[in-house]
Amino acid sequence: DADVTQTPRNRITKTGKRIMLECSQTKGHDRMYWYRQDPGLGLRLIYYSFDVKDINKGEISDGYSVSRQAQAKFSLSLESAIPNQTALYFCATTPGGGAPGANVLTFGAGSRLTVL
Amino acid sequence: AQSVSQHNHHVILSEAASLELGCNYSYGGTVNLFWYVQYPGQHLQLLLKYFSGDPLVKGIKGFEAEFIKSKFSFNLRKPSVQWSDTAEYFCAVNARSGGYQKVTFGIGTKLQVIP
Repeated sequence: DADVTQTPRNRITKTGKRIMLECSQTKGHDRMYWYRQDPGLGLRLIYYSFDVKDINKGEISDGYSVSRQAQAKFSLSLESAIPNQTALYFCATTPGGGAPGANVLTFGAGSRLTVL
Repeated sequence: AQSVSQHNHHVILSEAASLELGCNYSYGGTVNLFWYVQYPGQHLQLLLKYFSGDPLVKGIKGFEAEFIKSKFSFNLRKPSVQWSDTAEYFCAVNARSGGYQKVTFGIGTKLQVIP
């Protein structure tokens, strides 16, 4: 089984619909992240969470919300999807702390979202 | 705020050619530096990293990168590329921002290796 699992892997939806992307991890990491990948723009951070009670906005949080249901689960929601949210979304984790490797990201396989 | 610049957005090389992908970052404090690779249809995975010590770091599959602090650079190199190196390569910087350690990515460089 993958260390970081994302569901769904692919989703096509219509403008205005609510969408939830889910992420679960078996790494035991405290820190979880949602990134969005667009061609020519690289990866941009949407939200990040350093523990269950600590959630922070990233560079491009407008139009998105998140929920950290447990240490292992971090979901991303689009309350009312719009076409420019069409992208590849990645969940990632890091162990955190001060040791070397604390900030090495482990990525999920990605969720490709198309908003028509 | 920290930022990462990757100079080459699309590189096409023949097999056995040498590779160097440029990466510069803007941040004045202590940084950790990474190169991640994304093979076609796959997720990102770590290629190599620099935390401290020897500025020349070696990663998987024969890749290496050199941290030059005075130039704020962390260029990726490989002496002889293979077709299987076709992928997108992302430089990333981890630094403290607003009290937290955060990772910022460059826009990526697509490498196409022609057999």
